[in-house]
This record gives sequence, structure tokens and C-alpha cells, in this order.
Amino acid sequence: DSGVTQTPKHLITATGQRVTLRCSPRSGDLSVYWYQQSLDQGLQFLIQYYNGEERAKGNILERFSAQQFPDLHSELNLSSLELGDSALYFCASSTSGLAEEQYFGPGTRLTVT
Amino acid sequence: ELKVEQNPLFLSMQEGKNYTIYCNYSTTSDRLYWYRQDPGKSLESLFVLLSNGAVKQEGRLMASLDTKARLSTLHITAAVHDLSATYFCAVGPTGANSKLTFGKGITLSVRP
Repeated sequence: DSGVTQTPKHLITATGQRVTLRCSPRSGDLSVYWYQQSLDQGLQFLIQYYNGEERAKGNILERFSAQQFPDLHSELNLSSLELGDSALYFCASSTSGLAEEQYFGPGTRLTVT
Repeated sequence: ELKVEQNPLFLSMQEGKNYTIYCNYSTTSDRLYWYRQDPGKSLESLFVLLSNGAVKQEGRLMASLDTKARLSTLHITAAVHDLSATYFCAVGPTGANSKLTFGKGITLSVRP
């Protein structure tokens, strides 16, 4: 158990809908990362937050957004969902957001029908 | 754009034998990470390599980093069934940004 928690574990929704994925980092970690894992794209970095501020952005679609709250938990919002958004979404956390290792949560499996 | 290549993508290993898998990356970096993923599970951190020539060992696994060759190797000694999993390497750009680029992963299967 990495200490990173994610809810929900599974989510099934229809195309065009909007969902929110939630992540709580390890105690003491200030940085949160979101990744998407799919069969065709592999593991892709989406976005990073450090202490409430966006620090780095990857291949995140405009339909997706994220934020990190004062208590350091983070939410990833996915809207206008398409079939191709079906994937495993991981949150990871690290202490300072620099070169140290990232600890991954259990993931949320999103299925869009 | 940083690209990370792992090969082979699938490796069938015989129990008790030694194997090496590779991770190549395309641009300068001095940060490389190895992760393990079991089917349907999350990623477990195995090694963090932060300098040229870094070598780390844990049990039957040993990872090394050659930043000049832009290459990391993961050596497996006397493979056992418990090592069956997918192994990812990830590379971060030099600097403060810790965004990681992952390879496609290598699925290892250990047979008796």
C-alpha cells in the first residue's frame, strides 16, 4: 500500500457525461500527478500540482481539468466523455515534486459506454 | 520530445536463468525510474537512478544507468515465478520539472 488513495475504484458512465476522480496523496506529500493508462497510448502524464499550484502539464485534453485543494487532495474532472477516454487513471504523489520517486495510488478504472 | 523505448516488449523467462532488459531514451536526462505492475494493479516503485553510473540492487533485480549512452538495464538473476509482471522504465527531464515519460513496458513471464 503506497498511502495514496483514489476514489472511486470503478466508474461506468455514458458518452457525453462528466465525472470527477478524487485523489488523496500520502501524508506529507505536497505534489500530486495524474496519469492515464490505456492499451493504445500506454502510460501518459496528464498534469502535476504542487501545493495547490499547477506545475507541469502533459498530454491533457481541453475537456479534462484538475485542481489541488488546500488540504492537498486533488480532483481530475473529465467532461464530454468519449469512448476513447476509457482507461485506468492513476494519481501519484511525491514529497516536493522534484526528482524524488512518485508513489502511485490504486487507480480508477473508467469505462465510457 | 523525450521518447522512451523498452525492449523486448515481452520476454518469456525460464526459472533459474539470468536475463537483462533494456530501456533507451532519446534526450539528456539524469533521472530514471523502474516500476513494476501486476495485472490490474497499480505501479510499484522499484528503483530510482539519479546519476550516471548509478547501480541499485534489490533481491534478484539490479538496475543501472548510463546517461552517456542514454540507457538503463534491469538485470534479473535466477528468475522465479514471483517476478512475472510488467516492468516500466520512466525518464524525467533534467531540471525541476518532474514530469515522467514512460516506456511501453516489458511483460515478463517466468515458466518452470
